[in-house]
Amino acid sequence: EVQLVQSGAEVKKPGESLKISCKGSGYTFSNYWIGWVRQMPGKGLEWMGIIFPIDSDTRYSPSFQGQVTISVDKSISTASLQWSSLKASDTAMYYCARHNGDENASDIWGQGTMVTVSS
Amino acid sequence: QSALTQPRSVSGSPGQSVTISCTGTSSDVGTYNYVSWYQQHPGRAPKLMVSDVTRRPSGVPDRFSGSKSGNTASLTISGLQAEDEADYYCCSYVGGYSWVFGGGTKLTVL
Repeated sequence: EVQLVQSGAEVKKPGESLKISCKGSGYTFSNYWIGWVRQMPGKGLEWMGIIFPIDSDTRYSPSFQGQVTISVDKSISTASLQWSSLKASDTAMYYCARHNGDENASDIWGQGTMVTVSS
Repeated sequence: QSALTQPRSVSGSPGQSVTISCTGTSSDVGTYNYVSWYQQHPGRAPKLMVSDVTRRPSGVPDRFSGSKSGNTASLTISGLQAEDEADYYCCSYVGGYSWVFGGGTKLTVL
């Protein structure tokens, strides 16, 4: 079964760092871009950025450039999203998704990781 | 990159058809035929319903269809069913292997 499994929910304080992960299985992980999407409570989807596992080529939305870092370790089929200093406004559900170049769309989604930032 | 514009809500009765619009610009929807649509039920991850403006992934009912005219893409759901009640998001390529979502539309099945 093709799937993306994300790491569990996190509760952090403002200023703390965090790295969440997304592990792919059931397909050749390196052949597909992996994207990250934010969904703040009660709000819509926001495209954050995307990474290509083979060469770590990374693209960011201007809204998220400099705010987060997307990385990948193709040896363990895992992409990551990290923050160096969390803010309360980072509280959201974060989804990873496999980007299928044949369909030009995200065809497989992780279950989401809820990040709560509160003092 | 500004979010694509979608109506906040649409509604229809079972068996009817509804259309959700997604308006962008000549820099995104108007230039690229890489518009996709996602369905999201409460508490669930999004699900791909339409790709490349008109393509339906395997397993998606043919009641769902996509189209595009100029800077506006549309998703039409015919023969509405109760399980179609969900949020729907469009997404467009904007160049540089980057993408942008619409604000989302809540579909209510009356």
